[in-house]
Amino acid sequence: GESVGLHLPTLSVQEGDNSIINCAYSNSASDYFIWYKQESGKGPQFIIDIRSNMDKRQGQRVTVLLNKTVKHLSLQIAATQPGDSAVYFCATMGQGGKLIFGQGTELSVKP
Amino acid sequence: GAVVSQHPSWVICKSGTSVKIECRSLDFQATTMFWYRQFPKQSLMLMATSNEGSKATYEQGVEKDKFLINHASLTLSTLTVTSAHPEDSSFYICSAGTNNEQFFGPGTRLTVL
Repeated sequence: GESVGLHLPTLSVQEGDNSIINCAYSNSASDYFIWYKQESGKGPQFIIDIRSNMDKRQGQRVTVLLNKTVKHLSLQIAATQPGDSAVYFCATMGQGGKLIFGQGTELSVKP
Repeated sequence: GAVVSQHPSWVICKSGTSVKIECRSLDFQATTMFWYRQFPKQSLMLMATSNEGSKATYEQGVEKDKFLINHASLTLSTLTVTSAHPEDSSFYICSAGTNNEQFFGPGTRLTVL
């Protein structure tokens, strides 16, 4: 079946440093991956996505890397800011458009 | 564009009462809406998939008679938590889908006393 998991539940970084959040998935047939940011008491906010025909995609200060060989993806945030503090989820889209969410990593940015 | 709203944003109710949560897509028509539940410090768990004009499809372990879903139009889906109990206290989030994308609402915090 499909499952998405994260390696670390919490991550603390210094302001200005780069952050790397990891995610593993089990279904090799997964072909669409999404990263979401969720601030306390709010709904998930789309950050960036990547399809399985790519191994890297860049956005504004964020980069997603996909390694299909080991079924792993990561979210890199450059020059992390206090406003980046949130829980980050990876998700994969299954049948019928269902999203399967990973455990989540809580990112804490120290000033 | 692609804004999804939920109402209410928070609700407190007594045990045994029913609570209705609305999910609206404000600027697009959503053929499919999804309902999630999230407990503190946990991930989002899909409860059900709601399609306009048809019965909702519930995930395994979710009681359809307890969590009533109605998708009356392409812009509105409602989730009714019937006979609520304290263990139903959670953060309920909806998302609306269009063109293979999903847009999330801000969530509704339900507290059952």
